[in-house]
Amino acid sequence: DADVTQTPRNRITKTGKRIMLECSQTKGHDRMYWYRQDPGLGLQLIYYSFDVKDINKGEISDGYSVSRQAQAKFSLSLESAIPNQTALYFCATSDSSSYEQYFGPGTRLTVT
Amino acid sequence: GQQVMQIPQYQHVQEGEDFTTYCNSSTTLSNIQWYKQRPGGHPVFLIQLVKSGEVKKQKRLTFQFGEAKKNSSLHITATQTTDVGTYFCAGRLGNTDKLIFGTGTRLQVFP
Repeated sequence: DADVTQTPRNRITKTGKRIMLECSQTKGHDRMYWYRQDPGLGLQLIYYSFDVKDINKGEISDGYSVSRQAQAKFSLSLESAIPNQTALYFCATSDSSSYEQYFGPGTRLTVT
Repeated sequence: GQQVMQIPQYQHVQEGEDFTTYCNSSTTLSNIQWYKQRPGGHPVFLIQLVKSGEVKKQKRLTFQFGEAKKNSSLHITATQTTDVGTYFCAGRLGNTDKLIFGTGTRLQVFP
């Protein structure tokens, strides 16, 4: 959905580098999520936020941090990237009335 | 760890054949959602089931939620090449807003 955008779409970085993935949405949703997708493992929740002042850890938060700069923006940071963080990263949004989640196009991250 | 499993992991069918994917949770779910991800794309919401034993249909797709709210299935009748993709179930635990995604079933349809 064009309503949820992610930048960059592809990124190659080296071990130890700090990297930030950004997510923006124009849907007006209060809830935002970061997921990681690895082949055969489905989608794993990294962090989620119900509003600007609310940040929660998901299943696999170690090695990641997030920032909810505004209702429409939710950034994911890898402070010191490592090769096993190579994956496809998705941002998603939802509102409190419907639970359906809308996903961004994804960021393919490669850590060498 | 992963609490929601899906089988099979892969399924190849001839166009026109039926397809079913099964989703099983180790714990009772408050509701379950299904998503479809086309190759190279992102997950797209298909449906949500809330009630025990609920059955919903969308054209050739039939979704079921088990009586114990621990399992679900998606059945596609007479598959078409447009059905190609990975189908994920996603269960919600209690009153949380977190979804636990299943491992997904990748469907390939041969013309």
